[in-house]
Amino acid sequence: AQKITQTQPGMFVQEKEAVTLDCTYDTSDQSYGLFWYKQPSSGEMIFLIYQGSYDEQNATEGRYSLNFQKARKSANLVISASQLGDSAMYFCAMREGWEAAGNKLTFGGGTRVLVKP
Amino acid sequence: DTAVSQTPKYLVTQMGNDKSIKCEQNLGHDTMYWYKQDSKKFLKIMFSYNNKELIINETVPNRFSPKSPDKAHLNLHINSLELGDSAVYFCASSYLRTVRETQYFGPGTRLLVL
Repeated sequence: AQKITQTQPGMFVQEKEAVTLDCTYDTSDQSYGLFWYKQPSSGEMIFLIYQGSYDEQNATEGRYSLNFQKARKSANLVISASQLGDSAMYFCAMREGWEAAGNKLTFGGGTRVLVKP
Repeated sequence: DTAVSQTPKYLVTQMGNDKSIKCEQNLGHDTMYWYKQDSKKFLKIMFSYNNKELIINETVPNRFSPKSPDKAHLNLHINSLELGDSAVYFCASSYLRTVRETQYFGPGTRLLVL
């Protein structure tokens, strides 16, 4: 079974509007972390935001916020006031457990966002 | 200053050749990683080193051999390159301490095997 599922392969959003990127995850660990990364066309991976499984508040970083619904195992990224520079691939990723062997990030398939002027 | 750097950025080579990719981080992290991104953009962990010790070794052909001379460097050597090795290889680094630790990625090395 997929550990991280991003069901939206691609989407368009109008400039200045908000967009929500879906991410669902599957883990039996109680302790885990969820990350979102942005990959623009230039190819680098840029860290955006983090949500811990024990965090009571939803994470926010500037125009990025995370809608964390633990019972549903979802961690959707919300980008507010979209800008043309937000056009990119967005990846949801998870790190499970405390042990060193669990240190890897497991990535979803990504969502391509294109912001229209 | 670049936090995680990789060389080379592009690598075009013939099938059967041996090549290396180098990675360096100046963030003071104790753990480094290699990830592979295939043509469909899917990213998967290959290896992880913590303080020069191998801690993650996913199912990767043994033609791939990582080496960590110190905790700031992690190199990837690939023997007998095959067409299917064409991909983008990302190095990353982080602290190992908790699940909260963010992994910071290098710019990637685009490998094309002809």
